[in-house]
Amino acid sequence: AQRVTQPEKLLSVFKGAPVELKCNYSYSGSPELFWYVQYSRQRLQLLLRHISRESIKGFTADLNKGETSFHLKKPFAQEEDSAMYYCALKSFLNTGNQFYFGTGTSLTVIP
Amino acid sequence: DAGITQSPRHKVTETGTPVTLRCHQTENHRYMYWYRQDPGHGLRLIHYSYGVKDTDKGEVSDGYSVSRSKTEDFLLTLESATSSQTSVYFCASSGVPNTEAFFGQGTRLTVV
Repeated sequence: AQRVTQPEKLLSVFKGAPVELKCNYSYSGSPELFWYVQYSRQRLQLLLRHISRESIKGFTADLNKGETSFHLKKPFAQEEDSAMYYCALKSFLNTGNQFYFGTGTSLTVIP
Repeated sequence: DAGITQSPRHKVTETGTPVTLRCHQTENHRYMYWYRQDPGHGLRLIHYSYGVKDTDKGEVSDGYSVSRSKTEDFLLTLESATSSQTSVYFCASSGVPNTEAFFGQGTRLTVV
């Protein structure tokens, strides 16, 4: 069964400190993984996807198939990074695609 | 942002009343989804659609029904609202060639 696990509900770091938000997944096929960000009471926005191997707002995430992880990292946290972050896995079914989300990590960057 | 809008944005309703939430997208996306967002649970899939009149259940579908009569519209109905359905509801869509899901602004539903 597909599953996305984000072990940290809350994470606080000081401005300028490195930040890592953890995501582990279980999926029998070849996964397609995403990170979404939700600023206070706004819609979810795509932050990055593993197939693009890009860096957005200083964030990067590497897919580690051996550890079934897709951790989100940023070397120097900024106050504007405070938000809820969701890791998501795209599952391919006969009827189409489904997206499974983790429970989210609320990041607070302390000035 | 993809053109996805939800209506209403906020609603307060009484227990036992029917409620319909609307999602409208202008991207001609094939797939549409309804999620509910609750603290400690993240986003959980209620129902999804893989084409006009083609829908299937998600992990928390009890008490909800959906309809999709046009590509652009996906309706979520609570037949008889209960307090446990108080939540924030998000609609999303995805299609080719984009691979990710695009989200609406959310609907905050309170059942009293």
